[in-house]
Amino acid sequence: DVKVTQSSRYLVKRTGEKVFLECVQDMDHENMFWYRQDPGLGLRLIYFSYDVKMKEKGDIPEGYSVSREKKERFSLILESASTNQTSMYLCASSRPAERGFFGQGTRLTVV
Amino acid sequence: KQEVTQIPAALSVPEGENLVLNCSFTDSAIYNLQWFRQDPGKGLTSLLLIQSSQREQTSGRLNASLDKSSGRSTLYIAASQPGDSATYLCAVTGSARQLTFGSGTQLTVLP
Repeated sequence: DVKVTQSSRYLVKRTGEKVFLECVQDMDHENMFWYRQDPGLGLRLIYFSYDVKMKEKGDIPEGYSVSREKKERFSLILESASTNQTSMYLCASSRPAERGFFGQGTRLTVV
Repeated sequence: KQEVTQIPAALSVPEGENLVLNCSFTDSAIYNLQWFRQDPGKGLTSLLLIQSSQREQTSGRLNASLDKSSGRSTLYIAASQPGDSATYLCAVTGSARQLTFGSGTQLTVLP
């Protein structure tokens, strides 16, 4: 079975901190994605990557950056965390035009 | 910009009923459509994927159909069980390779 692992289930950070969310997949998938999920707003795409060192902006990239140095790992970086970035963050991976596999999610609270 | 709508937003049914969840999308230029299940506080699990050239897919008690020209998909759940209670999301993959999600249908199956 495909496994997508996010480094933390729950995270509490202070305003202004630099935050790293890590995601690792074990099935050699080309595509990796970061979403945030908020009540009433659904899942919104932050960034995605379809190859090592490649990245594409999604619908809400402001305040975020990403890094993909190795095929299996896709990191989301909050440069200076703010309270409006409190959310559930979900990582996913897939092969092109195939099923998406999601991690268990990281619930981030910024205080 | 692709928009995905799911109706109803919430549904409550007695155990044993057959039910249909609806999904519509505005741009018919899609590669595929997926149905996901999400349990509270968890990540998403892919249930079914329908490629754009297909009309339906089946897995156990689940059957998903796709009418690309009209921008519609349905998820049929036969003989519902309390364990089916979850939020069901549909998502389409467009030309930009990214998944666009609907806001989901929250299903409760009453014992």
